[in-house]
Amino acid sequence: AQTVTQSQPEMSVQEAETVTLSCTYDTSESDYYLFWYKQPPSRQMILVIRQEAYKQQNATENRFSVNFQKAAKSFSLKISDSQLGDAAMYFCAYRSASGYGNKLVFGAGTILRVKS
Amino acid sequence: DTGVSQDPRHKITKRGQNVTFRCDPISEHNRLYWYRQTLGQGPEFLTYFQNEAQLEKSRLLSDRFSAERPKGSFSTLEIQRTEQGDSAMYLCASSLSGTLSYNEQFFGPGTRLTVL
Repeated sequence: AQTVTQSQPEMSVQEAETVTLSCTYDTSESDYYLFWYKQPPSRQMILVIRQEAYKQQNATENRFSVNFQKAAKSFSLKISDSQLGDAAMYFCAYRSASGYGNKLVFGAGTILRVKS
Repeated sequence: DTGVSQDPRHKITKRGQNVTFRCDPISEHNRLYWYRQTLGQGPEFLTYFQNEAQLEKSRLLSDRFSAERPKGSFSTLEIQRTEQGDSAMYLCASSLSGTLSYNEQFFGPGTRLTVL
């Protein structure tokens, strides 16, 4: 079974600064997707960024980028120019690319606090 | 708003009572997922439907839990004889299958269940 580990329960960043959230995963599969989801307080979860395992190039979405290290099974999220609205719980998630349905396997999450 | 909706948003019940939650997916989405999220943890997969067929159930889904998706549209999740350990946020997500899509799952706001 696949597992996802987020070793940082909580992180803080100053507004306009850069922060990196860590994620490692364990799988025996070669084809899969990795995601970072954002869950603001009392609001629904939204997708921040995704990475296909077969792509070597790291995904980027505006201020959000990932560092995908397939051999090391590492998938970190970098948030540049942090904004107050970035404060939320961030979840790293894994999804197999084979079979049907393909449920998401989540890590325990990292609370990100942004200081003004 | 054409996103995933869930009803009710909050439910307080006494131990031993039955509860039912409803999820309305994005209208064209044929896949529907249920997850459970306990405080401070990431969501855990419960079950998944493709159209009206329930294709996968987690071992977390005990005999007291049942989910349906009649006509492949909305879904209900029923918990019979609730226990205090059932207290959690129940999240619904939907996605559209297709070879050109990585099948992004869109999440609803969740139903928070408190069992007294």
